[in-house]
Amino acid sequence: NAGVMQNPRHLVRRRGQEARLRCSPMKGHSHVYWYRQLPEEGLKFMVYLQKENIIDESGMPKERFSAEFPKEGPSILRIQQVVRGDSAAYFCASSPFATANTEAFFGQGTRLTVV
Amino acid sequence: GIQVEQSPPDLILQEGANSTLRCNFSDSVNNLQWFHQNPWGQLINLFYIPSGTKQNGRLSATTVATERYSLLYISSSQTTDSGVYFCAVFETSGSRLTFGEGTQLTVNP
Repeated sequence: NAGVMQNPRHLVRRRGQEARLRCSPMKGHSHVYWYRQLPEEGLKFMVYLQKENIIDESGMPKERFSAEFPKEGPSILRIQQVVRGDSAAYFCASSPFATANTEAFFGQGTRLTVV
Repeated sequence: GIQVEQSPPDLILQEGANSTLRCNFSDSVNNLQWFHQNPWGQLINLFYIPSGTKQNGRLSATTVATERYSLLYISSSQTTDSGVYFCAVFETSGSRLTFGEGTQLTVNP
């Protein structure tokens, strides 16, 4: 049973470009969470999605950031017009149902560097 | 929202020593997990422990939900234990895990 798969592992973008980060949850998991980790800091919640629905996006910056989890395919975190401050590790987690009552598993992360 | 505090922030040990990491949280929780982030950045699940005590090899964890804290014990530490240890909680009224700032552990040979 494959774990949570994130790709790419490393992504370099120039300022102003778009970044697309992908997350395939574990088999049987329909809940996906995105977190951001700035250098030397802890993980900060960004968004919680179920298939085709955004449940909680209270941690998402209001501009340039969006997320989706379509009926088919991986969850996508999209960052438009990237800036240097977007450089961070972005982690995705999945669970079979809401993490209130179950264990969440994380992918290996995507390390975004904006140059 | 819920506050999660981990202590100590940094810990340096000699190989073979024991240690205790603490996680305090400010509100009722349904779920608590401990993670190890290794030097390569990978997050590894250690324990899912909303309450009670669990053991896995040299590691064990105890959560006392009524007193709002959890402890992670590492015995006979090894250099491969180095990294950051995170506690994450799911508050009763919330919708996701909230992480503490972590404990940076360095085990020297």
